[in-house]
Amino acid sequence: DADVTQTPRNRITKTGKRIMLECSQTKGHDRMYWYRQDPGLGLRLIYYSFDVKDINKGEISDGYSVSRQAQAKFSLSLESAIPNQTALYFCATSDSQTGSYGYTFGSGTRLTVV
Amino acid sequence: GQQVMQIPQYQHVQEGEDFTTYCNSSTTLSNIQWYKQRPGGHPVFLIQLVKSGEVKKQKRLTFQFGEAKKNSSLHITATQTTDVGTYFCVAGANSKLTFGKGITLSVRP
Repeated sequence: DADVTQTPRNRITKTGKRIMLECSQTKGHDRMYWYRQDPGLGLRLIYYSFDVKDINKGEISDGYSVSRQAQAKFSLSLESAIPNQTALYFCATSDSQTGSYGYTFGSGTRLTVV
Repeated sequence: GQQVMQIPQYQHVQEGEDFTTYCNSSTTLSNIQWYKQRPGGHPVFLIQLVKSGEVKKQKRLTFQFGEAKKNSSLHITATQTTDVGTYFCVAGANSKLTFGKGITLSVRP
């Protein structure tokens, strides 16, 4: 099983619909992140959480919300999806307890808003 | 967050050639990380550099952190088709990584 699991892998939704992307991890990491990737723009941080009670906005949080339900689970919601939210979404984790802060990424969710 | 620049965004090499890419910042970086994303895949952590002038090697890949901690380089010796992908250098600040656009490497067999 993957260390960081994202569901669904692919999703097509209509404009105005609410959608939730889920992320769970078995690495025991305390920190979790949501990024979106668009062609030519690299990865941009949406939200991040350093522990269950900590939620922080990233550089492009407008139109998104998150919930850290447990240390292992971090979900991303689009309250009212719009076409320019069509992108590849990645969840990532890192561990503050070790000397290396390398992120472990999930396989991504490809979201299309029509 | 701390910003890094990678130029160009795309580079094409012949298999067997060496490849070097650079990552630059206008500010001093606390550390830098490198990731590789294969086509259709997700970013995978390669290495973290922390010390001024640090050099680390992974098989044919050599990573270096500049003396002033404002730049970093990735050198691949004798590229192979398995090296194809996008390489991101990433600056870390307060444990929150800022990804640049990366450089996409293609290798002609």
